[in-house]
Amino acid sequence: EIVLTQSPGTLSLSPGERATLSCRASQSVSSSYLAWYQQKPGQAPRLLIYGASSRATGIPDRFSGSGSGTDFTLTISRLEPEDFAVYYCQQYGSTSVTFGQGTRLEIK
Amino acid sequence: QVTLKESGPVLVKPTETLTLTCTVSGFSLSNARMGVSWIRQPPGKALEWLAHIFSNDEKSYSTSLKSRLTISKDTSKSQVVLTMTNMDPVDTATYYCARTTYTYYYYYMDVWGKGTTVTVSS
Repeated sequence: EIVLTQSPGTLSLSPGERATLSCRASQSVSSSYLAWYQQKPGQAPRLLIYGASSRATGIPDRFSGSGSGTDFTLTISRLEPEDFAVYYCQQYGSTSVTFGQGTRLEIK
Repeated sequence: QVTLKESGPVLVKPTETLTLTCTVSGFSLSNARMGVSWIRQPPGKALEWLAHIFSNDEKSYSTSLKSRLTISKDTSKSQVVLTMTNMDPVDTATYYCARTTYTYYYYYMDVWGKGTTVTVSS
């Protein structure tokens, strides 16, 4: 089973700043099968990015994804107040799915 | 509009079997390369994938929970059912179902239900 490790655990930034979130896999992941989700308190997760770099429907272009192999990144170019939430990466491989442990993005 | 809704007991006793139902609308469980996943989230913790089932009846399960899980679907009722045996207090969580797209190029969960909270306690 592939383990996804997200860093940092918590990221403290101010609105307008750039956020860079990391997701590292214990073995190589197909970029096609790497996704990112946003979760706000009391809500279900929301798909942001699939295929490592494709934005889901309705997701603002300040969100971007990149990476390949074992290292993937979610970047939020200019933080808006509504972007402060928990972010998860997820992979599918060998018929199994795993999520990272999440990065909490909090207001500084 | 695509929606998914989870239903099931709020409280189960240790050792009992949990049965959860996901009722979908706005898409068919017979759509090619489309299916439903179950994911859970203990209070204050991360998401944990449990299982998925696709239109061709392909099923996969979490490695660590495989012996306790069964997923099935009733296309005519637009429902996906997950059963988890031998429930324990550590299984207390919010359980989500999510529409899942799986092609040669992508795998992602694009529409989620609101979740149902299950507490395991005697």
